Amino acid sequence: GAGVSQSPRYKVAKRGQDVALRCDPISGHVSLFWYQQALGQGPEFLTYFQNEAQLDKSGLPSDRFFAERPEGSVSTLKIQRTQQEDSAVYLCASSALGVDPQFFGPGTRLTVL
Amino acid sequence: GDSVTQMEGPVTLSEEACLTINCTYTATGYPSLFWYVQYPGEGLQLLLKATKADDKGSNKGFEATYRKETTSFHLEKGSVQVSDSAVYFCALSEKRGSTLGRLYFGRGTQLTVWP
Repeated sequence: GAGVSQSPRYKVAKRGQDVALRCDPISGHVSLFWYQQALGQGPEFLTYFQNEAQLDKSGLPSDRFFAERPEGSVSTLKIQRTQQEDSAVYLCASSALGVDPQFFGPGTRLTVL
Repeated sequence: GDSVTQMEGPVTLSEEACLTINCTYTATGYPSLFWYVQYPGEGLQLLLKATKADDKGSNKGFEATYRKETTSFHLEKGSVQVSDSAVYFCALSEKRGSTLGRLYFGRGTQLTVWP
């Protein structure tokens, strides 16, 4: 595709609900990253995939957060038993190999009530 | 560990004024440096980048030079426009094997340009 796409763009969840956020990276991009951006802050790293392999999940804030990329293309970030502190914009980015920069999607704004 | 410190905002300028947004970094290796911009209601867009010391990145009239001796990557523009109003993020990434790894971002600087 022309760029990174994410869905849904907005998600409202009640505390305790599970949510799933989808990312479609740029076609052919090997690397895929998830970031969390709180209001008024810079994005914070969550996890990284190279193809289908999750090489780094050190940024996931708790075991309620889970990400997958089973076929090395589309990725899903799942948050179980959402809490109010999970409210943020979740950004997905993809890049090619080498020193290619990351290109970001529009983000999913999650609000947990 | 790696980190980015960015000039706090907000910054308010009149059209055609000069802009400098300071950015310094801490890194264990030899990072690539980036400026991303977030226009109101839009996602993060890459503005410019530099991959090694003394490289100058430039785009849309903005420039930043990778200064290893001062560990800095300040963003500059000689004459800002109203359309430059946005949030600007400085970021770094280090190579992990054959590819660049995660980005470390600064907190962002809100720029507002008045006509």
